[in-house]
Amino acid sequence: DVKVTQSSRYLVKRTGEKVFLECVQDMDHENMFWYRQDPGLGLRLIYFSYDVKMKEKGDIPEGYSVSREKKERFSLILESASTNQTSMYLCASSSYILAKETQYFGPGTRLLVL
Amino acid sequence: DAKTTQPTSMDCAEGRAANLPCNHSTISGNEYVYWYRQIHSQGPQYIIHGLKNNETNEMASLIITEDRKSSTLILPHATLRDTAVYYCIVRVAGSGGGADGLTFGKGTHLIIQP
Repeated sequence: DVKVTQSSRYLVKRTGEKVFLECVQDMDHENMFWYRQDPGLGLRLIYFSYDVKMKEKGDIPEGYSVSREKKERFSLILESASTNQTSMYLCASSSYILAKETQYFGPGTRLLVL
Repeated sequence: DAKTTQPTSMDCAEGRAANLPCNHSTISGNEYVYWYRQIHSQGPQYIIHGLKNNETNEMASLIITEDRKSSTLILPHATLRDTAVYYCIVRVAGSGGGADGLTFGKGTHLIIQP
């Protein structure tokens, strides 16, 4: 079974703090994704990585950065958290073989920024 | 991705087959039909996908009409744990390089009744 894990299920941070969200997958997948999910807005792609040290901006990258130093790990960084970044954050991975659309998601991190 | 139409909600009795319809009348020849589901407060879960032939895996069966304008996801023996929002999307598999995240429509809220 593919397993995607995220470092925290729930997180509370203060405005201006630097926040790190970690994601690890154990299936040697090349592609990894960070999304946020908000009521009424659905799933939105923040960043995508198709290889170690490679990244591409998704639809809403502003206020976020990412790091992929190892194939299995993809980190999302909120440089200076703001209240409008309160959201559910979802990490996903997929392999070249199965195509980018067959994505396996982690359990999500519910972030509250006060 | 939101080129599909699904009922807003459906009920099904536990132990019975749950049949979830999806209309995708504008699907093009190289687009696959993908199904995901999301249980409350969890990350989305990939279920199955197909191009034109019917597909079956350990979770579900996917029946695609001959003209490919609609499909049905079948959960053969629904359990209470199958209560979730089910999303049908159409995508070109392996759609090129670059950031190309999944987007879900509103989906069908399937409620399994005891």
